[in-house]
Amino acid sequence: DVKVTQSSRYLVKRTGEKVFLECVQDMDHENMFWYRQDPGLGLRLIYFSYDVKMKEKGDIPEGYSVSREKKERFSLILESASTNQTSMYLCASTGGYTDTQYFGPGTRLTVL
Amino acid sequence: AQSVSQHNHHVILSEAASLELGCNYSYGGTVNLFWYVQYPGQHLQLLLKYFSGDPLVKGIKGFEAEFIKSKFSFNLRKPSVQWSDTAEYFCAVILMDSSYKLIFGSGTRLLVRP
Repeated sequence: DVKVTQSSRYLVKRTGEKVFLECVQDMDHENMFWYRQDPGLGLRLIYFSYDVKMKEKGDIPEGYSVSREKKERFSLILESASTNQTSMYLCASTGGYTDTQYFGPGTRLTVL
Repeated sequence: AQSVSQHNHHVILSEAASLELGCNYSYGGTVNLFWYVQYPGQHLQLLLKYFSGDPLVKGIKGFEAEFIKSKFSFNLRKPSVQWSDTAEYFCAVILMDSSYKLIFGSGTRLLVRP
């Protein structure tokens, strides 16, 4: 079974803090994704990576950056957290870019 | 812009009732289609998918979906729901000759009353 893990289930940060969310997958997948999930909006793509050190902006990249130094790990960075970044963050991975994505359990981030 | 619409945001059913959740997308080209489910407190997981072939696809737990190309629809069905089907359901589409990104609908929360 594919396993995608995320570093924290719940996180509380203050406005202006730098926040790191980490995601690790164990299936040697090339493609990894970061989404945010908000009620009534579904999932929206923040960034994705199709290879180590490669990244592409998704639909809502503003205020976020990412890092992929190793194939199994994909980090989402909030350079200066703001209250409108309070959300559930989901990481996903897939071997074939247009195939099934496998999701982690999510990190519920609250920015005060 | 291309989009995925789930018209029912909240659905409440009694056990043994039949379920149909609507999903429509706005794109005229080739698509890969998915239904994902998120049970309370659990991670998002695949329910079923359609890439090509028989437009009626069967997934886990007795769910099925039918791709109707002329209607740009991929509705999810289950003949008899159970309390354990209480979850949020997301339709998602990949535009195969366009952005290749997975686009999600806004989700439908299903509550099944015992």
